[in-house]
Amino acid sequence: QKEVEQNSGPLSVPEGAIASLNCTYSDRGSQSFFWYRQYSGKSPELIMSIYSNGDKEDGRFTAQLNKASQYVSLLIRDSQPSDSATYLCAVLDNYGQNFVFGPGTRLSVLP
Amino acid sequence: EAQVTQNPRYLITVTGKKLTVTCSQNMNHEYMSWYRQDPGLGLRQIYYSMNVEVTDKGDVPEGYKVSRKEKRNFPLILESPSPNQTSLYFCASSWGEQGMESTDTQYFGPGTRLTVL
Repeated sequence: QKEVEQNSGPLSVPEGAIASLNCTYSDRGSQSFFWYRQYSGKSPELIMSIYSNGDKEDGRFTAQLNKASQYVSLLIRDSQPSDSATYLCAVLDNYGQNFVFGPGTRLSVLP
Repeated sequence: EAQVTQNPRYLITVTGKKLTVTCSQNMNHEYMSWYRQDPGLGLRQIYYSMNVEVTDKGDVPEGYKVSRKEKRNFPLILESPSPNQTSLYFCASSWGEQGMESTDTQYFGPGTRLTVL
C-alpha cells in the first residue's frame, strides 16, 4: 500500500512568518510530486509541482524534494492570512497513473 | 473557459438507489480520475482512466463503477449506495503524461457532496 504522510496539524503561524509543511512517501519509484491548496468547501488547486531533487521556487513558495529520504516539503515565506487553508501533498506513481494524496495539513496564519 | 464540471453538486439519497455522478472536461485531457474526500483521510483515488475505454482501479474502488466512452466524460456510478459512501467526491483531469508540469497537473471539478441515508 503506497502511503503519503504529512505533519499533523493544525499549524499556526503569525502573519509574515515562514510556514513549513512536510511530507514523506513510501513508494521509492515515485517521480512526480505536488502540493495542492484547498480552502474549506472548495476543490484542491495546484501550488507547485516538483520532479528533481533540490529546491523549486515560485514567488513566496518553495518546494523541496529529497528522493533519497523520500521527503517533500513546502515553505511559505511571508505568510498571509489568505494562505490559511489545508495543504495536500500528492505523489504520482512511476507509471504516471495512480495519485496518492496525504491527509493534509491545515495551516492558520494569524493576523 | 477550461474547466471540469460535475453534476449534481449536492445529492441526498437512500440506501440501494442507483445513482450516477457526471464529470465532464473541455480541455481534451486524456487522464481522468475520481476521488473521495473524508475528514482525516484526505483524498483517496477511486478509479482513473488513461484514455477512452481504458479504466483502472484506484485505492478504494469497492462499490463504484466508471465508464469512459468519450474522452470528455467520466461518470461515476454507485449501483447500490450505502451510508459508508457518504462523502465529498471530486473528479479531476490532466493530459496524463507524467514528469512534466504542463501535462501531469490535475485540474479538479467543484466537488459533489453525497449523503446516503
